[in-house]
Amino acid sequence: EPEVTQTPSHQVTQMGQEVILRCVPISNHLYFYWYRQILGQKVEFLVSFYNNEISEKSEIFDDQFSVERPDGSNFTLKIRSTKLEDSAMYFCASSEGGVGGSGANVLTFGAGSRLTVL
Amino acid sequence: AQSVAQPEDQVNVAEGNPLTVKCTYSVSGNPYLFWYVQYPNRGLQFLLKYITGDNLVKGSYGFEAEFNKSQTSFHLKKPSALVSDSALYFCAVRDRNGGFKTIFGAGTRLFVKA
Repeated sequence: EPEVTQTPSHQVTQMGQEVILRCVPISNHLYFYWYRQILGQKVEFLVSFYNNEISEKSEIFDDQFSVERPDGSNFTLKIRSTKLEDSAMYFCASSEGGVGGSGANVLTFGAGSRLTVL
Repeated sequence: AQSVAQPEDQVNVAEGNPLTVKCTYSVSGNPYLFWYVQYPNRGLQFLLKYITGDNLVKGSYGFEAEFNKSQTSFHLKKPSALVSDSALYFCAVRDRNGGFKTIFGAGTRLFVKA
């Protein structure tokens, strides 16, 4: 069964450093997302990406964050100048479609990248 | 704005008993509704969805959910719980009239006792 893969599984960084979290979505999916989960609690939407541009973002996704699909397979989340409160599990997800359709909208999640900011 | 409420932090049931995990939602338009499950140290896995049609939706592992438009609810149910059902369950909503984001509830931890 196709899956979303994320690397690294765990990253520890110092406050103020930049981190890049990588994701390989399912190959025929068109929509890509990043979510975060703090301490096994609520899953928060960060950003959605379609057709090589951000389609929607939350208030959490400020100038500190950026996303990119550099090579047609990877989908990255960059966090500039990390803060202590950025410590969380970051999940990448992809979906086949965006709106409508019987097969649309179901998100397939990766296993997550745990970010620890010290 | 979309929102999802899961009023119970934890639900405890005995194995073999029926279980219900509650969810209510708020969207400006018509909703797509979902249930996902998360096992320890894993990503969320899709269980079932409501798009249109029959209000009772059947999903993976014997789970089902009932869409109630008047009560804006989408409760997850299973007739007979298994210990292996113990996990964190998330209800999610997406407004089919626009937007790309799926919004998740705070999650309900299900504990099934043998």
